[in-house]
Amino acid sequence: QVQLVQSGAEVKKPGASVKVSCKASGYTFTSYDINWVRQATGQGLEWMGWMNPNSGNTGYAQKFQGRVTMTRNTSISTAYMELSSLRSEDTAVYYCATGEGIVATDYWGQGTLVTVSS
Amino acid sequence: VIWMTQSPSLLSASTGDRVTISCRMSQGISSYLAWYQQKPGKAPELLIYAASTLQSGVPSRFSGSGSGTDFTLTISCLQSEDFATYYCQQYYSFPRTFGQGTKVEIK
Repeated sequence: QVQLVQSGAEVKKPGASVKVSCKASGYTFTSYDINWVRQATGQGLEWMGWMNPNSGNTGYAQKFQGRVTMTRNTSISTAYMELSSLRSEDTAVYYCATGEGIVATDYWGQGTLVTVSS
Repeated sequence: VIWMTQSPSLLSASTGDRVTISCRMSQGISSYLAWYQQKPGKAPELLIYAASTLQSGVPSRFSGSGSGTDFTLTISCLQSEDFATYYCQQYYSFPRTFGQGTKVEIK
């Protein structure tokens, strides 16, 4: 079955960077886009961007342009989301999601809590 | 950017009730709309895509309707496991915006 397993919780200082991984299994990694979505505590869902694991093509929400980079390593079926210049407002749970259809969110990782605190 | 207005933000209901949640777009998106359910501490789950197509395994008491700018999620007979937060999302264009969410709580 399709599974996305994300890396563990992180605590970072303001100004630092964080890189979250998302390891896929149960399907051909290069077949489906990967989306990244985040959620601050008690808040709604915020779409950050997407990546095509086959081509490496990416698209980012304007809010994160210049600060986010989505990459992949196809040899280990893993996608990465790196967010730089962290500030307290970036404290959130970060999710990767994938799926067969255009929505590409049939399957979700378990989430990674990133805490930004001095 | 396509803006979405989801309402209500909070809905108090009882088991067995019929509930509806609305999602309105700032511009037409054909039927490129999805609905998700999220429970505390869990990742969202896809319920409906293409505005009205039920994701595999989702109970038939959930239904979606609408096209263009106005969409509705209906739960025909609320069950205890349906108390959760629901989000709409458009995937007509980038960025893939979400609605603000509707929390369905026990009355």
